[in-house]
Amino acid sequence: EIVMTQSPVTLSVSPGERATLSCRASQSVSSNLAWYRQKPGQAPRLLIYGASTRATGIPARITGSGSGTEFTLTISSLQSEDFAVYYCQQYENWPPWTFGQGTKVEIK
Amino acid sequence: EVQLVESGGGLVQPGGSLRLSCAASGFTFSDYSMNWVRQAPGKGLEWVSYISVSTRIIYYADSVEGRFTISRDNAKNSLYLQMNSLRAEDTAVYYCARRAYDYSFPDYWGQGTLVTVSS
Repeated sequence: EIVMTQSPVTLSVSPGERATLSCRASQSVSSNLAWYRQKPGQAPRLLIYGASTRATGIPARITGSGSGTEFTLTISSLQSEDFAVYYCQQYENWPPWTFGQGTKVEIK
Repeated sequence: EVQLVESGGGLVQPGGSLRLSCAASGFTFSDYSMNWVRQAPGKGLEWVSYISVSTRIIYYADSVEGRFTISRDNAKNSLYLQMNSLRAEDTAVYYCARRAYDYSFPDYWGQGTLVTVSS
C-alpha cells in the first residue's frame, strides 16, 4: 500500500497571500496524483488530477506540480473559499486508493 | 449536473447491520465504476469499496472485507453498501464517489450519510 504524507498539518495564511501545500508518496506514483478541497460539512471537491491538470471550473490561481514522490499544490492570492482542508490522493497503484491525512488552510 | 445522493445512515448497535444507498443522476450511471469512501469524525478520507460497471470486479478495504458488500442496480441508477457486523470504528460519514471515466480517481462525490455505531 502506498502511504501518502502531507505537510504541514495546518497552514495559517492571510487572505490574498500564497499557500504552498506538500504531499509525499512512499513510492513513485508517476503523475497519478489528485488534490481535493473539503469545506466543513461538505463533500470533497476535485481540484487537480494528473498532478497538474485543473478540474472543470477550478480557477487558474490553483496549480499543481510534481511527479514521482513529491508534489505541491499552490494557491496564489487566497480567497475566502480557499480556507478549507486539502487532501492528496494517489491512483497509481490501487486498490486501495490512498489519501494523505490532510492539510488545513486557516485564516491567519 | 452530476448528482449523487446517499441515504440509509443512522444509529446502530455494535454487531448490527445497515444498508446504504446512493442515487445517481445527471450522467449515464451504467458507464461509470463507483466507490464508497468514508470519513470518521474529525479524521481523513478512507477508501472502502469499489465496483466496476458490470459488477465483475469488486474490491474491499482490508478493514471491511467479509463484513461489507457493495452492489449496484444500473436499471435504478443506484449504488448500495450492505454493512454487517458493524463496529464502533465503522462510525463515519459514508460518501459514494464516481470513478472518473478513463481515469482512476474519484471525480464526483455525494454529500454523505452518517453512520454511528454505538450502544
